[in-house]
Amino acid sequence: EPEVTQTPSHQVTQMGQEVILRCVPISNHLYFYWYRQILGQKVEFLVSFYNNEISEKSEIFDDQFSVERPDGSNFTLKIRSTKLEDSAMYFCASDHGFNYGYTFGSGTRLTVV
Amino acid sequence: EDKVVQSPLSLVVHEGDTVTLNCSYEVTNFRSLLWYKQEKKAPTFLFMLTSSGIEKKSGRLSSILDKKELSSILNITATQTGDSAIYLCAVEEDWSNAGNMLTFGGGTRLMVKP
Repeated sequence: EPEVTQTPSHQVTQMGQEVILRCVPISNHLYFYWYRQILGQKVEFLVSFYNNEISEKSEIFDDQFSVERPDGSNFTLKIRSTKLEDSAMYFCASDHGFNYGYTFGSGTRLTVV
Repeated sequence: EDKVVQSPLSLVVHEGDTVTLNCSYEVTNFRSLLWYKQEKKAPTFLFMLTSSGIEKKSGRLSSILDKKELSSILNITATQTGDSAIYLCAVEEDWSNAGNMLTFGGGTRLMVKP
C-alpha cells in the first residue's frame, strides 16, 4: 500500500537553529499538508499546499514557517529560528482530493533544546 | 472554543466487549467527518462520512454520522487487545476547492484488557 514517508523520524535541535522536515507524499496525490501534535495535545493543522502554492494556513503557521515542493516529489517544512515550544510531532499528509481521506506519514519528532 | 469534542476521554474494557465512541462538532461549512486510529505515531484512516445516516463498516468497526445532531459514533464490536489506541475524530470544512483543513478532536484513549 502506498505510504507517505517522512524523514528524519526524530530530530534534536538547539533553540534558534533552523530545521527542515522532509516528506515524500504519495505519488498521484495532489494535496499536501503539515500538521503538528504537541505531546498530550490535539493534532493541529499547519498548512495545506496545492498546485505549488499554499492554499490554506493556520494561525500557528507564521513567518517562522515555510513550505516548499522543490523537485516534484519532496515536500518540506522549514522552521526558522526554532523555539522550545516548537517541540512536537510533525505529520505530513497527502490526499488526491476524491473523498478518500488523508494518508498521514509516520511523523518527525522534533525536540528543541 | 473546541469545535470538535470527543467522549469519553478514555475507556478501559475487556476483550470481547463492544464500545461506542462519540464525536460532536460545531463548524460552519461542514464537508465530512473522519475517524482515525492512532497507535504509536501516525493516525491511520478508518472512515470518512459525508452523508447523514449512512453506516460505514469495516469488519468489527462501524460509524454513523448524524448531521442533524452534529455528531458521529464509532462502534467497535468484539474488541481485541489490538484495538487499544487513541481514536481521533476530525471534521473537514469546505472553505475552498483545494486543501481543506481537518480540525481534530482530543481523541478517546481506548485500552482493551485481555
